[in-house]
Amino acid sequence: AQSVTQLDSQVPVFEEAPVELRCNYSSSVSVYLFWYVQYPNQGLQLLLKYLSGSTLVKGINGFEAEFNKSQTSFHLRKPSVHISDTAEYFCAVSDLSGYSTLTFGKGTMLLVSP
Amino acid sequence: DAGVIQSPRHEVTEMGQEVTLRCKPISGHDYLFWYRQTMMRGLELLIYFNNNVPIDDSGMPEDRFSAKMPNASFSTLKIQPSEPRDSAVYFCASSIGDYNSPLHFGNGTRLTVT
Repeated sequence: AQSVTQLDSQVPVFEEAPVELRCNYSSSVSVYLFWYVQYPNQGLQLLLKYLSGSTLVKGINGFEAEFNKSQTSFHLRKPSVHISDTAEYFCAVSDLSGYSTLTFGKGTMLLVSP
Repeated sequence: DAGVIQSPRHEVTEMGQEVTLRCKPISGHDYLFWYRQTMMRGLELLIYFNNNVPIDDSGMPEDRFSAKMPNASFSTLKIQPSEPRDSAVYFCASSIGDYNSPLHFGNGTRLTVT
């Protein structure tokens, strides 16, 4: 079984500042890694995913994440945030067998203020 | 592509009443997942279907919960009788089961049991 720890429940940041949302995972097998975003009163949307290849993954809306196997981390970054990035962000991990094994972290609320 | 459609968006009911949540997956998707989201436990997988057949219902909390998928375009999650601790946001998601295709979430049903 896998587990995900999102170290910050809330991250306040000013508009145009850089941000990093932290995610660590635990697993005894090879994994795939995901970041999802949830806007108020909506379902989750995929931001980016790591399946294989380059450890630096670029996603939508200018976000990127880096897979670090030795530190079992998959931190999400954006060099300059906008007010519209205010949302809850979920890190998720699954083994290689399918979405049924997808395990989500508790989420990090990103609060962007002017 | 209308996305995953859930109804109702909000449901308020009294303890002991039957509640039925509905989901229409994206056409062509052969996997359907039901999740529950609460502040305490985060996002949990309740049950998932493949080609309309329930594959794993180990996440269903109690016998009061049941789910069906009578055809490829419709699924229900029923709670009978409902209890206040069932209050949560319930999400339906669908996919083609390939990690190269994302998991698509509906906008959820917010259930309040008084």
